[in-house]
Amino acid sequence: DAMVIQNPRYQVTQFGKPVTLSCSQTLNHNVMYWYQQKSSQAPKLLFHYYDKDFNNEADTPDNFQSRRPNTSFCFLDIRSPGLGDAAMYLCATSRERLGDRRTYEQYFGPGTRLTVT
Amino acid sequence: AQSVTQPDIHITVSEGASLELRCNYSYGATPYLFWYVQSPGQGLQLLLKYFSGDTLVQGIKGFEAEFKRSQSSFNLRKPSVHWSDAAEYFCAVPYYISNFGNEKLTFGTGTRLTIIP
Repeated sequence: DAMVIQNPRYQVTQFGKPVTLSCSQTLNHNVMYWYQQKSSQAPKLLFHYYDKDFNNEADTPDNFQSRRPNTSFCFLDIRSPGLGDAAMYLCATSRERLGDRRTYEQYFGPGTRLTVT
Repeated sequence: AQSVTQPDIHITVSEGASLELRCNYSYGATPYLFWYVQSPGQGLQLLLKYFSGDTLVQGIKGFEAEFKRSQSSFNLRKPSVHWSDAAEYFCAVPYYISNFGNEKLTFGTGTRLTIIP
């Protein structure tokens, strides 16, 4: 089945130690998103790629970076994790917006739960 | 900007009882609206979406939602809930980024649904 895969599902890192989260997709979608979701809160968009074009949200801290080496893969890098960065990180994909908005939908992976010790 | 509000943080329902989760939108024109469900420790799954036309929308897992312009609402309903429906439910509205040629989603704060036997 076509899907969005995130690895690892659980990640523990130390305060200040860089960490990378991975997302891959078999849907061949050209848009990929990264969300941060803290406990009992709504997902918050960090940034997204439209093909290779990177779009950062205005309030995303510089500590968060992303890479998209090809259509299938996207990475979230946290350069110096703080305790406040502990959260679920969700990857999502979509086709580009076409003429008919009714086709628009985001497909989510299962998420990576990050713990910072 | 478009936004959605979910007034109920937590709802408890008996198994087999009916369910209604509230979502109110803030947008001048006819909005496009989504309902997503998130099971514990999982990513988000699309239940249904509304774009135009019929105000009653059918979704997966026996859910439906009704768009009411007069009340600025898009409430999610299910006639008889099952224990497996226990999850977090998010209402969302897409908005188009004209200079990026793509859509983003804004989520409500979510409603946690607990099912009691």
